[in-house]
Amino acid sequence: DAMVIQNPRYQVTQFGKPVTLSCSQTLNHNVMYWYQQKSSQAPKLLFHYYDKDFNNEADTPDNFQSRRPNTSFCFLDIRSPGLGDAAMYLCATSRDLGQGADTQYFGPGTRLTVL
Amino acid sequence: AQSVSQHNHHVILSEAASLELGCNYSYGGTVNLFWYVQYPGQHLQLLLKYFSGDPLVKGIKGFEAEFIKSKFSFNLRKPSVQWSDTAEYFCAVNADSSASKIIFGSGTRLSIRP
Repeated sequence: DAMVIQNPRYQVTQFGKPVTLSCSQTLNHNVMYWYQQKSSQAPKLLFHYYDKDFNNEADTPDNFQSRRPNTSFCFLDIRSPGLGDAAMYLCATSRDLGQGADTQYFGPGTRLTVL
Repeated sequence: AQSVSQHNHHVILSEAASLELGCNYSYGGTVNLFWYVQYPGQHLQLLLKYFSGDPLVKGIKGFEAEFIKSKFSFNLRKPSVQWSDTAEYFCAVNADSSASKIIFGSGTRLSIRP
């Protein structure tokens, strides 16, 4: 059974055209994360939500925004995609924060292509 | 800044060979350590984790890892690999027990020759 679902799996957009990536979870976890993973690199955390509290990483560009309308869904909005934003975007969840509860469960990712 | 180093980018082994993938981290305090695996076309999934207690951790599919605090290492091992172990392996560290920021290594691609 799918626990962390990402749609679409592949997304093609044009330079500068806003795009939204979707993530949903059936785990009822409190925390949802968005990572960016470029080819042959480590996943890089962009931000996370603890319930409705948004936590942005210091080096995440302003071009990246996120919304979490309810426990199950979280969206990644890229306002003006550049060629450098082409990457795999991973959504993950964890039951809570802190030791013992922070095992993260990942979705399959959305591969974004920017033309 | 915290960092995670995986020494090998690509490892090629024959079936039944023994495996050891290196992982070192830079952080002097309490850490939580993870190995994640990504099989071809699939999502990242947890292989094993260390939070406290016995430094030798056993995970799924016959994998184990040993936390050596003095060496800041958390190497992944398997005594006899199978073709189905072909995947990308990521070491990760959470060095802040009050949050859940995980720092990933750059990954090691493991290819198993049948």
